[in-house]
Amino acid sequence: DIQMTQSPSSVSASVGDRVTITCRASQDISTGLAWYQQSPGTAPRLLIYGASSLQSGVPSRFSGIGSGTDFTLTISSLQPEDFATYYCQQANSFPLTFGGGTKVE
Amino acid sequence: QVQLVESGGGVVQPGRSLRLSCAASRFNFNNYAMHWVRQAPGKGLEWVAVISYDATSEYYADSVKGRFTISRDNSKSTLYLQMNSLTTDDTAVYYCAGALLGFCSGGSCYGESDVFDYWGQGTLVTVSS
Repeated sequence: DIQMTQSPSSVSASVGDRVTITCRASQDISTGLAWYQQSPGTAPRLLIYGASSLQSGVPSRFSGIGSGTDFTLTISSLQPEDFATYYCQQANSFPLTFGGGTKVE
Repeated sequence: QVQLVESGGGVVQPGRSLRLSCAASRFNFNNYAMHWVRQAPGKGLEWVAVISYDATSEYYADSVKGRFTISRDNSKSTLYLQMNSLTTDDTAVYYCAGALLGFCSGGSCYGESDVFDYWGQGTLVTVSS
């Protein structure tokens, strides 16, 4: 199985900050990587797929980059609604696997 | 707007069974793969299972293989998860998730069938004696 390792597990930030979250796969997954945002008590929301494609309706302050084993999610200017937990997910092979999550607080 | 509505959760004793349902609406259900994803209380996300658009293939997480069965009824636009031999480790919110970025028809799929762009609200399954 492909292991997904996210870092950091939590990050403290302020409105307007640039926030970067990294995700590393245990083997090459090409660009088969998605990012999700989850606020407490709600279902996750897809932000990025294919490592860098912005999902429809997602603000352009979110961006993703990477291929192979190393990936990054960047929030260019943190907004109040962005305080949440973020997960990466590999979509390259079964079983699909998620990273452990990064809480932005 | 796409809707996914789960039902069937509840409290069940260890070793017993439960069947979850997910009613889909406002999209062509029979053209998309569907997944179940779960989240234990206070924990991260765990993918559980996927079924192809035409129900010809299924894949499972190792943690549920042999105990859970995913199925679908395209005539009813409904996804199911039959859960047998439940343990306390299966306690979680179970989400139905649609892969609508991957369109499937005539034996082929185009796009992203293993990315979850639509989610239900989740149904809580508690396994406890």
